[in-house]
Amino acid sequence: DTEVTQTPKHLVMGMTNKKSLKCEQHMGHRAMYWYKQKAKKPPELMFVYSYEKLSINESVPSRFSPECPNSSLLNLHLHALQPEDSALYLCASSHLGQGGENEQFFGPGTRLTVL
Amino acid sequence: GQSLEQPSEVTAVEGAIVQINCTYQTSGFYGLSWYQQHDGGAPTFLSYNALDGLEETGRFSSFLSRSDSYGYLLLQELQMKDSASYFCAVSPGVDTGGFKTIFGAGTRLFVKA
Repeated sequence: DTEVTQTPKHLVMGMTNKKSLKCEQHMGHRAMYWYKQKAKKPPELMFVYSYEKLSINESVPSRFSPECPNSSLLNLHLHALQPEDSALYLCASSHLGQGGENEQFFGPGTRLTVL
Repeated sequence: GQSLEQPSEVTAVEGAIVQINCTYQTSGFYGLSWYQQHDGGAPTFLSYNALDGLEETGRFSSFLSRSDSYGYLLLQELQMKDSASYFCAVSPGVDTGGFKTIFGAGTRLFVKA
């Protein structure tokens, strides 16, 4: 299985809602990533998990809360978002070490709209 | 700071060869990767260069010169389906046990019949 899956594909939420994005991979990757991508822009790194521990937080506002329950799953909990948070949220995974981090496998993304 | 520069757009015809350049300035450097992203799709890994030289994978090749902080992606025998955005990405190094990837702004390739 060489696939990263993400649910939901689309999400519309109000500024007072709480929702979660989910990501799953079964490639045995021990690094998992959350990226945010705006239209016609590159992916921007948000969080990195290495061996299920948060290793990088790119100064992301606390209204985004990541969670890695096990080596296959990655969640992003959303609360009190702003309209400018509307974007495509991409999950990725990779091996760790020996350059494995340079080949990341991306999921199809969740297109989030905040009203 | 960290920066990557690549052309914003390139247009070529079917069957042609196109080269997309990437120059980078980063505090550290582990390697240069290339990703393809079709409109509405997710980025897909194409290639990775850690050492100087050319890596070939089918119609795509990637080159790196560490001394020049420069790399390129070469696409041969262009097909309409190659119309997409292409991102170079740099790994500046491990930071607090994690791994950071910085993407260039992307080059939109238009392939014309």
